[in-house]
Amino acid sequence: QQQVKQSPQSLIVQKGGISIINCAYENTAFDYFPWYQQFPGKGPALLIAIRPDVSEKKEGRFTISFNKSAKQFSLHIMDSQPGDSATYFCAASIAVQKLVFGQGTRLTINP
Amino acid sequence: DAGVTQSPTHLIKTRGQQVTLRCSPKSGHDTVSWYQQALGQGPQFIFQYYEEEERQRGNFPDRFSGHQFPNYSSELNVNALLLGDSALYLCASSSAKGGETQYFGPGTRLLVL
Repeated sequence: QQQVKQSPQSLIVQKGGISIINCAYENTAFDYFPWYQQFPGKGPALLIAIRPDVSEKKEGRFTISFNKSAKQFSLHIMDSQPGDSATYFCAASIAVQKLVFGQGTRLTINP
Repeated sequence: DAGVTQSPTHLIKTRGQQVTLRCSPKSGHDTVSWYQQALGQGPQFIFQYYEEEERQRGNFPDRFSGHQFPNYSSELNVNALLLGDSALYLCASSSAKGGETQYFGPGTRLLVL
Protein backbone atom coordinates (compact mmCIF):
# COMPACT_ATOMS: atom_id res chain seq x y z
CA GLN A 1 0.00 0.00 0.00
CA GLN A 2 3.05 2.22 0.33
CA GLN A 3 4.01 1.72 -3.31
CA VAL A 4 3.98 4.27 -6.08
CA LYS A 5 3.91 2.74 -9.55
CA GLN A 6 5.44 4.73 -12.40
CA SER A 7 5.26 4.24 -16.16
CA PRO A 8 6.74 4.07 -18.68
CA GLN A 9 10.24 2.90 -17.69
CA SER A 10 11.71 4.71 -20.67
CA LEU A 11 10.40 7.28 -23.12
CA ILE A 12 11.74 8.79 -26.33
CA VAL A 13 10.22 12.05 -27.55
CA GLN A 14 11.10 14.30 -30.44
CA LYS A 15 12.26 17.84 -29.71
CA GLY A 16 9.25 20.11 -29.36
CA GLY A 17 6.92 17.25 -28.47
CA ILE A 18 5.02 16.54 -25.25
CA SER A 19 6.47 14.09 -22.73
CA ILE A 20 3.97 12.36 -20.45
CA ILE A 21 4.87 10.25 -17.42
CA ASN A 22 2.25 8.57 -15.26
CA CYS A 23 2.11 7.45 -11.63
CA ALA A 24 -0.43 5.60 -9.52
CA TYR A 25 -0.68 5.14 -5.77
CA GLU A 26 -2.77 3.14 -3.30
CA ASN A 27 -2.42 4.89 0.04
CA THR A 28 -5.11 7.57 0.27
CA ALA A 29 -3.28 9.13 3.23
CA PHE A 30 -0.64 10.52 0.86
CA ASP A 31 -1.06 14.30 0.76
CA TYR A 32 1.95 15.57 -1.14
CA PHE A 33 3.09 14.53 -4.63
CA PRO A 34 6.39 15.88 -5.95
CA TRP A 35 8.24 15.18 -9.16
CA TYR A 36 12.03 15.04 -9.20
CA GLN A 37 14.50 15.25 -12.10
CA GLN A 38 17.81 13.46 -11.85
CA PHE A 39 20.83 13.72 -14.11
CA PRO A 40 23.53 11.01 -14.09
CA GLY A 41 25.78 11.27 -11.05
CA LYS A 42 23.61 13.94 -9.40
CA GLY A 43 21.01 13.99 -6.67
CA PRO A 44 17.31 14.38 -7.52
CA ALA A 45 16.17 17.98 -7.99
CA LEU A 46 12.61 19.04 -7.22
CA LEU A 47 10.71 20.04 -10.37
CA ILE A 48 7.16 20.63 -9.29
CA ALA A 49 4.79 19.35 -6.59
CA ILE A 50 1.06 19.20 -5.97
CA ARG A 51 -1.33 18.58 -3.12
CA PRO A 52 -4.54 16.55 -3.65
CA ASP A 53 -6.86 19.53 -3.21
CA VAL A 54 -6.05 20.78 -6.74
CA SER A 55 -6.38 18.94 -10.05
CA GLU A 56 -3.64 20.68 -11.98
CA LYS A 57 -0.53 22.76 -11.37
CA LYS A 58 1.58 24.41 -14.03
CA GLU A 59 5.08 25.86 -13.75
CA GLY A 60 6.57 26.93 -17.05
CA ARG A 61 6.69 23.95 -19.40
CA PHE A 62 5.93 21.49 -16.60
CA THR A 63 2.39 20.53 -15.58
CA ILE A 64 1.11 18.05 -13.00
CA SER A 65 -2.35 16.61 -13.55
CA PHE A 66 -3.91 14.97 -10.49
CA ASN A 67 -6.90 12.61 -10.41
CA LYS A 68 -7.78 11.95 -6.78
CA SER A 69 -10.62 9.49 -7.49
CA ALA A 70 -8.41 7.37 -9.75
CA LYS A 71 -5.40 7.79 -7.43
CA GLN A 72 -3.26 8.78 -10.37
CA PHE A 73 -1.09 11.75 -11.26
CA SER A 74 1.03 12.61 -14.24
CA LEU A 75 3.78 14.94 -15.40
CA HIS A 76 3.50 16.68 -18.75
CA ILE A 77 6.54 18.39 -20.26
CA MET A 78 5.53 20.71 -23.08
CA ASP A 79 7.89 21.68 -25.90
CA SER A 80 10.39 19.04 -24.75
CA GLN A 81 14.04 19.99 -25.23
CA PRO A 82 17.25 17.89 -25.38
CA GLY A 83 18.24 19.41 -22.02
CA ASP A 84 15.18 17.71 -20.50
CA SER A 85 16.80 14.32 -21.12
CA ALA A 86 17.10 12.85 -17.62
CA THR A 87 15.48 10.36 -15.28
CA TYR A 88 12.22 11.52 -13.71
CA PHE A 89 10.80 10.22 -10.45
CA CYS A 90 7.35 10.71 -9.03
CA ALA A 91 6.99 10.46 -5.28
CA ALA A 92 4.39 10.68 -2.55
CA SER A 93 4.48 11.41 1.14
CA ILE A 94 2.37 12.07 4.20
CA ALA A 95 3.12 15.49 5.71
CA VAL A 96 6.88 15.87 6.25
CA GLN A 97 7.57 12.19 6.54
CA LYS A 98 9.35 9.83 4.16
CA LEU A 99 9.08 10.15 0.41
CA VAL A 100 7.97 7.01 -1.42
CA PHE A 101 9.42 7.05 -4.93
CA GLY A 102 8.32 5.50 -8.17
CA GLN A 103 10.74 3.36 -10.16
CA GLY A 104 11.76 6.20 -12.47
CA THR A 105 11.38 7.04 -16.16
CA ARG A 106 14.39 7.56 -18.36
CA LEU A 107 13.42 10.34 -20.79
CA THR A 108 15.36 10.93 -24.00
CA ILE A 109 14.58 13.94 -26.19
CA ASN A 110 15.82 13.50 -29.74
CA PRO A 111 17.00 16.71 -31.46
CA ASP B 1 22.82 30.14 0.04
CA ALA B 2 24.47 26.72 0.19
CA GLY B 3 22.29 23.78 -0.65
CA VAL B 4 22.58 20.33 0.87
CA THR B 5 26.16 19.14 0.95
CA GLN B 6 27.46 15.60 1.39
CA SER B 7 30.86 14.07 1.93
CA PRO B 8 32.68 12.20 0.67
CA THR B 9 31.56 12.12 -2.97
CA HIS B 10 32.88 8.62 -3.58
CA LEU B 11 34.00 5.82 -1.31
CA ILE B 12 35.32 2.31 -1.82
CA LYS B 13 35.14 -0.23 1.03
CA THR B 14 35.47 -3.98 1.41
CA ARG B 15 32.92 -6.39 2.83
CA GLY B 16 32.68 -6.33 6.61
CA GLN B 17 34.04 -2.82 6.99
CA GLN B 18 32.19 0.14 8.46
CA VAL B 19 31.47 3.47 6.77
CA THR B 20 30.35 6.94 7.89
CA LEU B 21 28.72 9.39 5.49
CA ARG B 22 28.10 13.03 6.31
CA CYS B 23 25.45 15.57 5.40
CA SER B 24 24.97 19.28 6.01
CA PRO B 25 21.41 20.49 5.44
CA LYS B 26 20.30 23.52 3.48
CA SER B 27 20.46 26.73 5.48
CA GLY B 28 17.33 27.10 7.62
CA HIS B 29 16.43 23.41 7.52
CA ASP B 30 16.21 21.30 10.66
CA THR B 31 15.17 17.88 9.35
CA VAL B 32 17.45 15.41 7.58
CA SER B 33 16.38 12.27 5.74
CA TRP B 34 18.62 9.58 4.27
CA TYR B 35 17.87 7.51 1.18
CA GLN B 36 19.61 4.64 -0.59
CA GLN B 37 19.46 4.58 -4.39
CA ALA B 38 20.57 1.39 -6.10
CA LEU B 39 21.58 1.63 -9.76
CA GLY B 40 18.54 2.09 -11.97
CA GLN B 41 16.12 2.33 -9.05
CA GLY B 42 14.26 5.02 -7.18
CA PRO B 43 15.57 6.20 -3.82
CA GLN B 44 14.52 4.11 -0.81
CA PHE B 45 13.94 5.80 2.55
CA ILE B 46 16.36 4.77 5.32
CA PHE B 47 15.46 7.12 8.21
CA GLN B 48 14.71 10.70 9.17
CA TYR B 49 16.17 12.83 11.97
CA TYR B 50 14.61 15.81 13.68
CA GLU B 51 15.71 17.46 16.91
CA GLU B 52 18.55 14.94 17.13
CA GLU B 53 16.11 12.03 17.31
CA GLU B 54 15.27 9.36 14.75
CA ARG B 55 11.69 10.24 13.87
CA GLN B 56 10.91 7.58 11.28
CA ARG B 57 12.67 4.53 9.88
CA GLY B 58 12.31 2.60 6.66
CA ASN B 59 12.80 -1.12 6.10
CA PHE B 60 16.56 -1.24 6.69
CA PRO B 61 18.46 -3.46 9.15
CA ASP B 62 20.05 -2.22 12.36
CA ARG B 63 23.43 -2.17 10.57
CA PHE B 64 22.24 1.23 9.34
CA SER B 65 22.34 3.86 12.06
CA GLY B 66 22.46 7.61 12.17
CA HIS B 67 22.97 10.68 14.21
CA GLN B 68 21.97 14.32 14.07
CA PHE B 69 24.05 17.03 15.69
CA PRO B 70 22.88 20.27 17.36
CA ASN B 71 23.77 22.22 14.19
CA TYR B 72 21.34 19.91 12.29
CA SER B 73 24.07 18.14 10.30
CA SER B 74 23.82 14.39 10.19
CA GLU B 75 25.80 11.18 9.79
CA LEU B 76 24.82 7.83 8.35
CA ASN B 77 26.75 4.82 9.61
CA VAL B 78 26.69 1.40 8.02
CA ASN B 79 28.34 -1.53 9.80
CA ALA B 80 29.39 -4.94 8.47
CA LEU B 81 29.15 -3.82 4.86
CA LEU B 82 27.68 -6.19 2.29
CA LEU B 83 28.14 -6.17 -1.48
CA GLY B 84 24.47 -5.20 -1.74
CA ASP B 85 25.12 -1.98 0.16
CA SER B 86 26.78 -0.57 -2.95
CA ALA B 87 24.59 2.37 -3.93
CA LEU B 88 24.24 6.14 -4.09
CA TYR B 89 23.40 7.43 -0.60
CA LEU B 90 21.34 10.59 -0.68
CA CYS B 91 20.69 13.08 2.06
CA ALA B 92 17.66 15.34 1.89
CA SER B 93 16.84 18.28 4.12
CA SER B 94 13.58 20.01 4.90
CA SER B 95 12.04 22.35 7.41
CA ALA B 96 9.60 21.02 9.97
CA LYS B 97 7.83 24.40 9.90
CA GLY B 98 8.12 25.08 6.19
CA GLY B 99 6.25 22.17 4.68
CA GLU B 100 6.96 18.95 2.90
CA THR B 101 9.57 19.87 0.30
CA GLN B 102 12.75 17.84 0.62
CA TYR B 103 15.90 19.07 -1.11
CA PHE B 104 18.52 16.51 -2.01
CA GLY B 105 22.28 16.66 -1.92
CA PRO B 106 24.51 15.25 -4.67
CA GLY B 107 24.92 11.96 -2.85
CA THR B 108 27.81 9.72 -1.85
CA ARG B 109 28.59 6.86 -4.20
CA LEU B 110 29.57 3.82 -2.10
CA LEU B 111 31.17 0.80 -3.71
CA VAL B 112 31.62 -2.34 -1.60
CA LEU B 113 34.10 -4.89 -2.95
